[in-house]
Amino acid sequence: GENVEQHPSTLSVQEGDSAVIKCTYSDSASNYFPWYKQELGKRPQLIIDIRSNVGEKKDQRIAVTLNKTAKHFSLHITETQPEDSAVYFCAASMAGNQFYFGTGTSLTVIP
Amino acid sequence: DTEVTQTPKHLVMGMTNKKSLKCEQHMGHRAMYWYKQKAKKPPELMFVYSYEKLSINESVPSRFSPECPNSSLLNLHLHALQPEDSALYLCASSQAGTWAFFGQGTRLTVV
Repeated sequence: GENVEQHPSTLSVQEGDSAVIKCTYSDSASNYFPWYKQELGKRPQLIIDIRSNVGEKKDQRIAVTLNKTAKHFSLHITETQPEDSAVYFCAASMAGNQFYFGTGTSLTVIP
Repeated sequence: DTEVTQTPKHLVMGMTNKKSLKCEQHMGHRAMYWYKQKAKKPPELMFVYSYEKLSINESVPSRFSPECPNSSLLNLHLHALQPEDSALYLCASSQAGTWAFFGQGTRLTVV
């Protein structure tokens, strides 16, 4: 199956700063890349996604970029707030099936 | 209805017990999934059902047996589990080519 690597595993930022999380995938057939936020004791929830025919997508303070050639994609959170503290997972999928997750990044936003 | 509902929320079972986890969605999604998540780890894909047929089994031990009675329901039958099977079991569903929507999960403890 697909192998998704994610870095860093932990990230601490000051409130208001930006946070960047990076992922690489192995299978060039993967064409859909969602990002999930999981708060302690809760389910993963989608925050943004990108398809392989798009290089960048933005939704307010959150943006995702994709480099198909290099097989990597990144999550950018600007103007971080304490409520952004959570574990973030990237995922790779072929045609919206078989979602394979990265190892997760624990983000802490320090007030 | 934009929910994936899982029951029970918590389950404690002995190693000789037989139990079932249930998952229900009424969003018309034709793909349904079982994931296993250990603490501080990413969700790990177990099974994928597509149009009520098992399409992916990620080499899961036979003590886990999935069932998809209809397009809205997904069950996971458990038998002779081991303590290391204790985890959060997440059900998810998706429409073709879109993100997986997760249920709240069943926290399973095997004693």
